[in-house]
Amino acid sequence: AQTVTQSQPEMSVQEAETVTLSCTYDTSENNYYLFWYKQPPSRQMILVIRQEAYKQQNATENRFSVNFQKAAKSFSLKISDSQLGDTAMYFCAFMKHAFIGTASKLTFGTGTRLQVTL
Amino acid sequence: DVKVTQSSRYLVKRTGEKVFLECVQDMDHENMFWYRQDPGLGLRLIYFSYDVKMKEKGDIPEGYSVSREKKERFSLILESASTNQTSMYLCASSHEVGTEAFFGQGTRLTVV
Repeated sequence: AQTVTQSQPEMSVQEAETVTLSCTYDTSENNYYLFWYKQPPSRQMILVIRQEAYKQQNATENRFSVNFQKAAKSFSLKISDSQLGDTAMYFCAFMKHAFIGTASKLTFGTGTRLQVTL
Repeated sequence: DVKVTQSSRYLVKRTGEKVFLECVQDMDHENMFWYRQDPGLGLRLIYFSYDVKMKEKGDIPEGYSVSREKKERFSLILESASTNQTSMYLCASSHEVGTEAFFGQGTRLTVV
């Protein structure tokens, strides 16, 4: 079974600074997908960034980037130039590859609560 | 705009009641998921479905069942609600394996 571990329950960062959220996972699969989701106080879960395990290049989306270390099974999220609107719960998630028409779980970590301060 | 709609944002039920949580998506997605979210425990997968009438147990299926009679609708059923099922319930859907999952707004269920 796959597990996802987020070891930082809470973090705080000042506006305009950079922060890194850590995530490790355990799997015996070779093909899989990794995600970071954001859940602001409004509760609406939103995808931040996605990484395919077979791609060595780290994914980036504007101020958000990941450091994907496949051998170490690590998938950290870096937020640059933090903004007040980045205040949210951040969840790391894992899904193994499966063919269309078959099942694949989407497994989440316990989350990191990020507070951006002035 | 993609949309996953959960029938209620807040729900209060009595112990022993049969509870239905409904989820509808308008994106023709194959995959649908039900999670419960509790502080410090993150999102835990209850059941998921990859096609009409197909379902798979997640990590915590005990006390729950699901129904997927139509592609767009995935229902979570609490056969006999108990106080330890008080939680936030989130529904999600996705098109293909590995693609973005879209979430509903969540239903905060309180069992008294």
